[in-house]
Amino acid sequence: ETGVTQTPRHLVMGMTNKKSLKCEQHLGHNAMYWYKQSAKKPLELMFVYNFKEQTENNSVPSRFSPECPNSSHLFLHLHTLQPEDSALYLCASSQPGMMNTEAFFGQGTRLTVV
Amino acid sequence: GQQLNQSPQSMFIQEGEDVSMNCTSSSIFNTWLWYKQDPGEGPVLLIALYKAGELTSNGRLTAQFGITRKDSFLNISASIPSDVGIYFCAGQRYGGATNKLIFGTGTLLAVQP
Repeated sequence: ETGVTQTPRHLVMGMTNKKSLKCEQHLGHNAMYWYKQSAKKPLELMFVYNFKEQTENNSVPSRFSPECPNSSHLFLHLHTLQPEDSALYLCASSQPGMMNTEAFFGQGTRLTVV
Repeated sequence: GQQLNQSPQSMFIQEGEDVSMNCTSSSIFNTWLWYKQDPGEGPVLLIALYKAGELTSNGRLTAQFGITRKDSFLNISASIPSDVGIYFCAGQRYGGATNKLIFGTGTLLAVQP
């Protein structure tokens, strides 16, 4: 248990569906991140939120829409995805602005687009 | 985006053997982190290193922050079957409001009983 919880753990969706991934952290952190992990590829940073404000969008297609209503919650809204978007989506949190800080990950959502 | 060079890509060893893997970068980092990821799970933090030259242990795991701040290694002694997984290094620079992690490409470890 890392203090970062992601739901659902598994999701299968059609290309015309709309779904959302949820991430919640109980660590008191103020920075939250979405990463994508595809087979045989390194972790790719997608979005960074710092104190609820988006501070980085790593050229992610608009079919992925993040939302951070408060520092403890992060969502990733999905619509009209493609099969190549199938991957493990990981959420992480850390405390920004501190010299010695680690990022903690959730267990991930395994997404399959059919 | 920028990546770290992590090697080896994979290792297949016998139970009881020692393991060593490393990460190198063309630029310096302020923090090095080592994570382990089990299949279908998120990465779990193993060791964090904050100072150049720092050597830190966590049970059978030992990691070092290179003097040049451009590299780090992780050693696992007396491997056991549950050490199986993918090990990632991550480097972190301080700058701006968030401390973005840059990940290595991972080392897949297989341990044969």
